[in-house]
Amino acid sequence: KQEVTQIPAALSVPEGENLVLNCSFTDSAIYNLQWFRQDPGKGLTSLLLIQSSQREQTSGRLNASLDKSSGRSTLYIAASQPGDSATYLCACQFYFGTGTSLTVIP
Amino acid sequence: NAGVTQTPKFRVLKTGQSMTLLCAQDMNHEYMYWYRQDPGMGLRLIHYSVGEGTTAKGEVPDGYNVSRLKKQNFLLGLESAAPSQTSVYFCASRHERGRTGELFFGEGSRLTVL
Repeated sequence: KQEVTQIPAALSVPEGENLVLNCSFTDSAIYNLQWFRQDPGKGLTSLLLIQSSQREQTSGRLNASLDKSSGRSTLYIAASQPGDSATYLCACQFYFGTGTSLTVIP
Repeated sequence: NAGVTQTPKFRVLKTGQSMTLLCAQDMNHEYMYWYRQDPGMGLRLIHYSVGEGTTAKGEVPDGYNVSRLKKQNFLLGLESAAPSQTSVYFCASRHERGRTGELFFGEGSRLTVL
């Protein structure tokens, strides 16, 4: 069974800072990895999807990387804004980590 | 194009009552999933389906049943609700194409069992 871990569980940064969220997984035989954002009391919004053959994907200020051999993915957020405050979840195929709660302080 | 629709969005049950959550998708996706989300636990997979007429157990299937009689619908049933089943339930679907498809989620169904 795939185990997905996200560290840290919570992160607080000042506005404008660049930051990295981490996701690790135990089974490297994945076919994709997806990053989501979840606001309190809301559903999941898909941010980026990386196929197993890809190393990274970019969307605006977000960049996600994938290293299957080491079982790791990172989500890089550039020039963070208060509106980025949310919980970020990674999913390996259909198994989820417990998320990182991000707070960006104005 | 509605995507993934879950009904009902909110429900309160008494212990021992039964209910069914409906998930409908209009994207012609083969794969459908039911998750529950509890504080600090992330999303845990309850049951999933890889096509019409098929179902399979996920990580936490006990106390739940599912059916996929039509490709577009995936039903999650609670035969005898327990307070431990108080949670937010999410449905998701994806296309099977090359097994690389993106997951699409519904808005969630908040269930409280008293």
